[in-house]
Amino acid sequence: DAEITQSPRHKITETGRQVTLACHQTWNHNNMFWYRQDLGHGLRLIHYSYGVQDTNKGEVSDGYSVSRSNTEDLPLTLESAASSQTSVYFCASSGSLLTGELFFGEGSRLTVL
Amino acid sequence: DQQVKQNSPSLSVQEGRISILNCDYTNSMFDYFLWYKKYPAEGPTFLISISSIKDKNEDGRFTVFLNKSAKHLSLHIVPSQPGDSAVYFCAASVAGNTGKLIFGQGTTLQVKP
Repeated sequence: DAEITQSPRHKITETGRQVTLACHQTWNHNNMFWYRQDLGHGLRLIHYSYGVQDTNKGEVSDGYSVSRSNTEDLPLTLESAASSQTSVYFCASSGSLLTGELFFGEGSRLTVL
Repeated sequence: DQQVKQNSPSLSVQEGRISILNCDYTNSMFDYFLWYKKYPAEGPTFLISISSIKDKNEDGRFTVFLNKSAKHLSLHIVPSQPGDSAVYFCAASVAGNTGKLIFGQGTTLQVKP
């Protein structure tokens, strides 16, 4: 079955370190998204991509970057992790933007000490 | 400023009764609305959506109502089942659906047997 997977599921890191969260989908979807979930804020869009070599900033993109070198993967990089980036991160993909249905991964819980 | 608000953090209902989850929005440009359901340690899953040209959409036990003049939408679950216990997020987008969703904070629904 096609799926979307995130790794690692849990990570603890120190302030200032570079961290990369992986996202891999096997649906061959063009559209991929990264959201973060924080108490009191719901999910907020970090970055998104509508295809290979396309990346765009979302609502809360400061301190994050993404790259899209193939259809299947959209890794999220924190160049210099900060405590404010402690959160649960969700990757999502969509084959069609008309239905509104995003398929989410199971999430990556990141703790920055 | 929170453009999509779910003012009730939690809701508890008895099995078999109706669950009503509410959502308010401030941006009159939103024209597509969605509900997602999330179980612990899992990613959100799409539940139901509605376009701003409609005021009601049904899918089995789930019905979403949209009141554009009040900038309010609600999700009705009838009858509620214990398996419906989860966090429910409403989300909105502008200019059709581009996948760039603005989420509310979420409402935790508990359905008691």
